[in-house]
Amino acid sequence: AQTVTQSQPEMSVQEAETVTLSCTYDTSESDYYLFWYKQPPSRQMILVIRQEAYKQQNATENRFSVNFQKAAKSFSLKISDSQLGDAAMYFCAYRVGTSYDKVIFGPGTSLSVIP
Amino acid sequence: DVKVTQSSRYLVKRTGEKVFLECVQDMDHENMFWYRQDPGLGLRLIYFSYDVKMKEKGDIPEGYSVSREKKERFSLILESASTNQTSMYLCASSPRQAGSYEQYFGPGTRLTVT
Repeated sequence: AQTVTQSQPEMSVQEAETVTLSCTYDTSESDYYLFWYKQPPSRQMILVIRQEAYKQQNATENRFSVNFQKAAKSFSLKISDSQLGDAAMYFCAYRVGTSYDKVIFGPGTSLSVIP
Repeated sequence: DVKVTQSSRYLVKRTGEKVFLECVQDMDHENMFWYRQDPGLGLRLIYFSYDVKMKEKGDIPEGYSVSREKKERFSLILESASTNQTSMYLCASSPRQAGSYEQYFGPGTRLTVT
């Protein structure tokens, strides 16, 4: 069965510092997609960053970047220059490339940003 | 901008009541989803639909049903609400195509069953 694990239920970071959120997944597929979603308090969940498994280059979106280790089935999210607005629940998610539909989400990591 | 809206942000119902949660999207997406979000468990898929009048069971369909009569609208129905259905319910939509497309989420409905 495909699973997504986030081993850090809660994390905190000082404003302007860098933090890394961990995610591992289990799959026997070779074609798949990985995502990090952000859910701010009382606000809608939005996509932060995505990675295609067939791409070796790690995805980057402004202050957000990933470390994708396909052999280790690891997909961590690095947030640089943390801002107060980064405080949120972060979910790692996985979707098989041949599936148009089903996404599997991890349990989430709650990130606090300390001023 | 994609918009996914849900009929209520907060809902309080009594045990045994029939509960309707509605979701509407305005981007002509084929796929629509209902998730339940609980602390420590992440998002769990209840049902999804890839076309009008079509539905597929997710991982936790027991106690729920769905309806999709129009492409833009996907309803979640709790036939007889129970206290263990107290949770946050999230609706999402996405286009039906291969690729790294994302799901777009509604604001969520926090349902309390007493």
